[in-house]
Amino acid sequence: AQSVTQLGSHVSVSEGALVLLRCNYSSSVPPYLFWYVQYPNQGLQLLLKYTTGATLVKGINGFEAEFKKSETSFHLTKPSAHMSDAAEYFCAVSDNSNYQLIWGAGTKLIIKP
Amino acid sequence: DAMVIQNPRYQVTQFGKPVTLSCSQTLNHNVMYWYQQKSSQAPKLLFHYYDKDFNNEADTPDNFQSRRPNTSFCFLDIRSPGLGDAAMYLCATSRDPSGQVGDTQYFGPGTRLTVL
Repeated sequence: AQSVTQLGSHVSVSEGALVLLRCNYSSSVPPYLFWYVQYPNQGLQLLLKYTTGATLVKGINGFEAEFKKSETSFHLTKPSAHMSDAAEYFCAVSDNSNYQLIWGAGTKLIIKP
Repeated sequence: DAMVIQNPRYQVTQFGKPVTLSCSQTLNHNVMYWYQQKSSQAPKLLFHYYDKDFNNEADTPDNFQSRRPNTSFCFLDIRSPGLGDAAMYLCATSRDPSGQVGDTQYFGPGTRLTVL
């Protein structure tokens, strides 16, 4: 069965510092990978997704993620954190047998002034 | 703008009193999903509709029911809410999964349910 692991339930960075949120997946077939962001008391918003093609994917709000098949990883990065980036971030993989999403547990990003 | 709308945003009910949450979409997507999300947890899929075909997750309690009267609307009925059902309920849509594994799910803002 597929699974998604997000390392760190909480990540704290200073404003202006690099953001790195880690996501590893297990899949026996090429995966389709997603990052969603959730602000307090809001729904989930798609940041970016990887399906096929270029392994470096650019998303909204300056985020990007790189698919590394050899490492089964899809880490999310942003060069310079902004206070408005404080939110919870979820990595998900699409189940290739149907269209359901397998979710990671989420990482809460905290931005220090 | 095309979107997924959920009403109400906040719902308070009493233990055992039936409640209905609603979701509508202007995206004209075939698939609609209902998720339950508890604090600091990932969303948990309750069920989904592919067009009019209802698909229940194996571990979704019978207390949860759903209706989709047309493409645009979907309802979540909780027949006898318990304290453990207090959560955020998220509705999502996707266009059409046939032949499109990896189709994006678009989420509404959620309904926060409180059970007293």
